[in-house]
Amino acid sequence: GAGVSQSPRYKVAKRGQDVALRCDPISGHVSLFWYQQALGQGPEFLTYFQNEAQLDKSGLPSDRFFAERPEGSVSTLKIQRTQQEDSAVYLCASSLRRTGVSYNEQFFGPGTRLTVL
Amino acid sequence: GENVEQHPSTLSVQEGDSAVIKCTYSDSASNYFPWYKQELGKRPQLIIDIRSNVGEKKDQRIAVTLNKTAKHFSLHITETQPEDSAVYFCAAAGSSNTGKLIFGQGTTLQVKP
Repeated sequence: GAGVSQSPRYKVAKRGQDVALRCDPISGHVSLFWYQQALGQGPEFLTYFQNEAQLDKSGLPSDRFFAERPEGSVSTLKIQRTQQEDSAVYLCASSLRRTGVSYNEQFFGPGTRLTVL
Repeated sequence: GENVEQHPSTLSVQEGDSAVIKCTYSDSASNYFPWYKQELGKRPQLIIDIRSNVGEKKDQRIAVTLNKTAKHFSLHITETQPEDSAVYFCAAAGSSNTGKLIFGQGTTLQVKP
């Protein structure tokens, strides 16, 4: 079946512009995660949704970062007034069941490479 | 805060040799430890995972060991092949109960033919 998809795959923004990154999780997956991966580093957690509820946003680096999943499927990560330090690959991952019951494999999307000039 | 340290950062082996990557974690409440393989420009893909109620798990040429007392876990790849060349990340699920993963810094494995 179809895996996690993300769009756009590449985004170039001028400093100060707003961007929106989309994630389509695997159908039926309850949990959705966003991670930020800087060049040569491991992914770093940004935020977590269980269905439409954002249960953890402790990793969002500033109030310029905002994420939503209004219908419990597609999610959007929005970055306002982009800065050069926001340049990274943004990865989305989904998993089948809600956490707290048992941990499940997280399936990753291909990522969106954001470059802020 | 929660932290995962991974070593070495780079590893070069001859085809057919074994490769070992080691990780330590800080949160004693962590109980799920996946390993991901990421090829250049591609998405991370799970290769093996282990839960805290077991000490070792094998899947063909890949094995993972876990020492909860030492808060240490390792990936072992035997009979390495050139297609094993990639960046490998260890991770630990934190105690937040959300399942968020705390990743290590990655190990670039090069298998020379």
